[in-house]
Amino acid sequence: DGGITQSPKYLFRKEGQNVTLSCEQNLNHDAMYWYRQDPGQGLRLIYYSQIVNDFQKGDIAEGYSVSREKKESFPLTVTSAQKNPTAFYLCASRATANSPLHFGNGTRLTVT
Amino acid sequence: LAKTTQPISMDSYEGQEVNITCSHNNIATNDYITWYQQFPSQGPRFIIQGYKTKVTNEVASLFIPADRKSSTLSLPRVSLSDTAVYYCLVGDTGFQKLVFGTGTRLLVSP
Repeated sequence: DGGITQSPKYLFRKEGQNVTLSCEQNLNHDAMYWYRQDPGQGLRLIYYSQIVNDFQKGDIAEGYSVSREKKESFPLTVTSAQKNPTAFYLCASRATANSPLHFGNGTRLTVT
Repeated sequence: LAKTTQPISMDSYEGQEVNITCSHNNIATNDYITWYQQFPSQGPRFIIQGYKTKVTNEVASLFIPADRKSSTLSLPRVSLSDTAVYYCLVGDTGFQKLVFGTGTRLLVSP
């Protein structure tokens, strides 16, 4: 089945550590997105990538970094500079302009 | 970038029709309107997409007036399993940033 895989589902880290969240898609989609969701809130855009080796900052990019070395993969690193990293992180992709987003099932990150 | 405004929450009962309206006053000519449904601890999933007039699929209808400054998602005969958050999304032209609004939390009661 085609889809987006985010791993792990739950992730725990100590404050001050960098952590990388995985996002892989086998839908052959060009564009990929990372969103953050806090409890009871909507989705906020962290980074997005239109093609391989290119990505753009979203509304809340500070403290995060991404790479897009392969079409299928768009990992997100939460750095120690992110002041409030505990959240639910969602990865999405889409095939063409105006086509719907396909989402993974998310990674819940807890930093203590 | 088209910003969207939706009601924060709505309540309904099983079997009723629910209409959720989204305002998007500065929608661009090439933008489509897409609605998503999200359950707790899951990624949003696509419900319906439209450009103008009316679109219907097996789960919902989408009504878009001629000026396209708003849209209404219609859920016929809701059930308890329709309790979720519903997001209206208006896309930029091309592969650009897609920004979600705060969504509408729908609670369906028996």
